[in-house]
Amino acid sequence: NAGVMQNPRHLVRRRGQEARLRCSPMKGHSHVYWYRQLPEEGLKFMVYLQKENIIDESGMPKERFSAEFPKEGPSILRIQQVVRGDSAAYFCASSSLGGQSYNEQFFGPGTRLTVL
Amino acid sequence: QKEVEQNSGPLSVPEGAIASLNCTYSDRGSQSFFWYRQYSGKSPELIMSIYSNGDKEDGRFTAQLNKASQYVSLLIRDSQPSDSATYLCAGNTNAGKSTFGDGTTLTVKP
Repeated sequence: NAGVMQNPRHLVRRRGQEARLRCSPMKGHSHVYWYRQLPEEGLKFMVYLQKENIIDESGMPKERFSAEFPKEGPSILRIQQVVRGDSAAYFCASSSLGGQSYNEQFFGPGTRLTVL
Repeated sequence: QKEVEQNSGPLSVPEGAIASLNCTYSDRGSQSFFWYRQYSGKSPELIMSIYSNGDKEDGRFTAQLNKASQYVSLLIRDSQPSDSATYLCAGNTNAGKSTFGDGTTLTVKP
């Protein structure tokens, strides 16, 4: 009974490169959420997706960041032209319910992105 | 004002004591609340959910919700060193969006 899977667990990129973070939700879950956590800070919501749809991207930076959740395969958070300020832990969570307040979210292990 | 605010830490309690973690929220659209535990370098782990006013108990954990006061709390009885972690409070709106507080770090001293 696999939980939420994220890969890679650690990612090192040089400034200007692209970072691709992957998330496979728990079995039976069709709602995916991405969060960013800077060192010593709380979780900041980035985007909420269902299969083939972006439901809420109010937390996504306007430039360089994009997310998708295709019909087949994992959800992907893509960061283009990374800068040092993008260094953070990126967590994905999934839930079986969406669009209502009762949806319990379960987190993956996270991807630690380091930009050199 | 942050949408979800947690009492500033760090909080230190002796082993066996009660740890009290508090959270207030500003969005009256928030309907459900969750407490997560996050060990250093790890991902958040859901430990309690509470949807209606009152208390909800699960083992050594009790969550309390007061929607009129916009206040949520988590009590940990008989605190153990293994409870040492950062505790995150989150509120969900009916759209399902979660807003997290910055967390309170708890240290339980043997």
